[in-house]
Amino acid sequence: EIVMTQSPATLSVSPGERVTLSCRASHSLSSNLAWYQQKPGQAPRLLIYGASTRATGIPARFSGSGSGTEFSLTISSLQSEDVAVYYCQQYTIWPPWTFGQGTKVEI
Amino acid sequence: QVQLQASGPGLVKTSQTLSLTCTVSGGSISSGGYYWSWIRQYPGKGLEWIGYIFYSGSTYYNPSLESRLTISIDTSKNQFSLNLTSLTAADTAVYYCARDAWGYGSGLDVWGQGTTVTVSS
Repeated sequence: EIVMTQSPATLSVSPGERVTLSCRASHSLSSNLAWYQQKPGQAPRLLIYGASTRATGIPARFSGSGSGTEFSLTISSLQSEDVAVYYCQQYTIWPPWTFGQGTKVEI
Repeated sequence: QVQLQASGPGLVKTSQTLSLTCTVSGGSISSGGYYWSWIRQYPGKGLEWIGYIFYSGSTYYNPSLESRLTISIDTSKNQFSLNLTSLTAADTAVYYCARDAWGYGSGLDVWGQGTTVTVSS
């Protein structure tokens, strides 16, 4: 099973700031990595897939990068509605898919 | 657009079997190369992928749950289901169903709203 490790656990930022979240995999994923946003009381929402492709309807301030074992999610200018927990998830070659433990972004 | 809705009992007794159903609307469960996944989220917020099924009936289960798990599909009703046996308190979680687009190089691109399951004696 591939272990996903996210850092930091919590990020406290000001509106308008640039935010970078990290995700590391225990084995190479190529680019088979997704990022999700989860707000309180809601299901996770797909933000990024293929490590860097924005899902439908996702604002351009969200971007993903990386390949292999090191990945990052960047929010170029944090908005109040971006307060949420962000998870990375690998889906390389064969299941089980696994998730990181999440990074909480707060203002 | 495709929507998913999970349903099932909110409270189940220890050692019993959990049965959940996910109803897909706005599209056919048989169309395209999508898989249909179950995921759960523990009270501490960690996410665990449970398993998936293809419209043909082929499945893949998380090895941690494989001995207790069955996922099935009913294409005539546009539904897929989860059965989890021998429940313990550790199975208490919010259970989500989702469309799994890994075959398209994507992730879990459509999620249901989740159903809370509490296991208690």
